[in-house]
Amino acid sequence: DAKTTQPPSMDCAEGRAANLPCNHSTISGNEYVYWYRQIHSQGPQYIIHGLKNNETNEMASLIITEDRKSSTLILPHATLRDTAVYYCIVRVEYNQGGKLIFGQGTELSVKP
Amino acid sequence: DTGVSQDPRHKITKRGQNVTFRCDPISEHNRLYWYRQTLGQGPEFLTYFQNEAQLEKSRLLSDRFSAERPKGSFSTLEIQRTEQGDSAMYLCASSPPYDEAFFGQGTRLTVV
Repeated sequence: DAKTTQPPSMDCAEGRAANLPCNHSTISGNEYVYWYRQIHSQGPQYIIHGLKNNETNEMASLIITEDRKSSTLILPHATLRDTAVYYCIVRVEYNQGGKLIFGQGTELSVKP
Repeated sequence: DTGVSQDPRHKITKRGQNVTFRCDPISEHNRLYWYRQTLGQGPEFLTYFQNEAQLEKSRLLSDRFSAERPKGSFSTLEIQRTEQGDSAMYLCASSPPYDEAFFGQGTRLTVV
């Protein structure tokens, strides 16, 4: 079963920051937080992942709380092409072959 | 390297027929995963290979389903005696050890 909870949907204005929350209160010490997104009719696309520290790449920033029970994915300047379903996943690296257990995700709609 | 490739992209079959899907992972990725996704749901894990060894199978993978990865490179997923409930998107992903997984575009199966 998925170990994360996300809001089912969110709206964001084009050009504004999109902040997508995720709760993972049962996360273990060796489990990473991964974010993927899925644009309609395409395969999921990797965005970012982290263990404890905040992370940033060319696509997004990931903020993980100190107790690691929740995180926020930030898209700094959302565009219409960021409209997608965003999945927050807790992944065990060293067991279970690194498989991803998807939840329902958050459907982000970026509006003009 | 063109990413994870899946063939065919779409398949329509009559109930009771057998179908086979192919996945070509990113070269030198020793992990390969199969997922199934139905409308409005997140992808569900089916099975996982490390090189040619099938290390885990979900209980979702009934006896009618079989997956192979004969030489540790490409993989096939076969469904025998298809049922309408098998209609879904079948996704393949590959990864190196302890790194993010990359997904293909999927094969959409429709059983009529």
